[in-house]
Amino acid sequence: NAGVTQTPKFRILKIGQSMTLQCTQDMNHNYMYWYRQDPGMGLKLIYYSVGAGITDKGEVPNGYNVSRSTTEDFPLRLELAAPSQTSVYFCASSYSGRSNEQFFGPGTRLTVL
Amino acid sequence: QQQVKQSPQSLIVQKGGISIINCAYENTAFDYFPWYQQFPGKGPALLIAIRPDVSEKKEGRFTISFNKSAKQFSLHIMDSQPGDSATYFCAASMEYGNKLVFGAGTILRVKS
Repeated sequence: NAGVTQTPKFRILKIGQSMTLQCTQDMNHNYMYWYRQDPGMGLKLIYYSVGAGITDKGEVPNGYNVSRSTTEDFPLRLELAAPSQTSVYFCASSYSGRSNEQFFGPGTRLTVL
Repeated sequence: QQQVKQSPQSLIVQKGGISIINCAYENTAFDYFPWYQQFPGKGPALLIAIRPDVSEKKEGRFTISFNKSAKQFSLHIMDSQPGDSATYFCAASMEYGNKLVFGAGTILRVKS
């Protein structure tokens, strides 16, 4: 199993550009998550999904959109990139149920200039 | 309040020493407290987790101590090794761990 994969690894965007961060998991997990990690701030939940067709906002959803058309894929869309969205983005997935270990991807480092 | 406060921000420990990282939470509805370990350039990975029905959980050199009345929990790394050098995050959640609230992280460096 590849686990959770994310593309691209790095990206530089200009202010106002759009892009989609891709996330795929091959563990047949129902739950998927998007986090952003900023220095000294820990990880903040952007959006999450409990299954195909179901998404909900996390702590910092503004400026982002998600969709979940399949169990495997959970793309994150930035519509109008702003410097405040410069961050490292992590996708994660987990089984539903009580012992809900989250498995993280390797991250995408995004810079908005 | 959903906040989890973690300290210290950074920690330097000699090889063989004990590393201690502390976290405090406010929401008494939290029922799952994991610790994640992150190496540079990698995503976080679950290290150890505890639920509030026990006061301590040990896995190898890693121990979580949990104080429900004080709303605090801590990670102890015994016999710390240079390979333990990483960033450690505490977290907490309700609803069987579906939505994790993370602490700010502690950068641990173990000197050989």
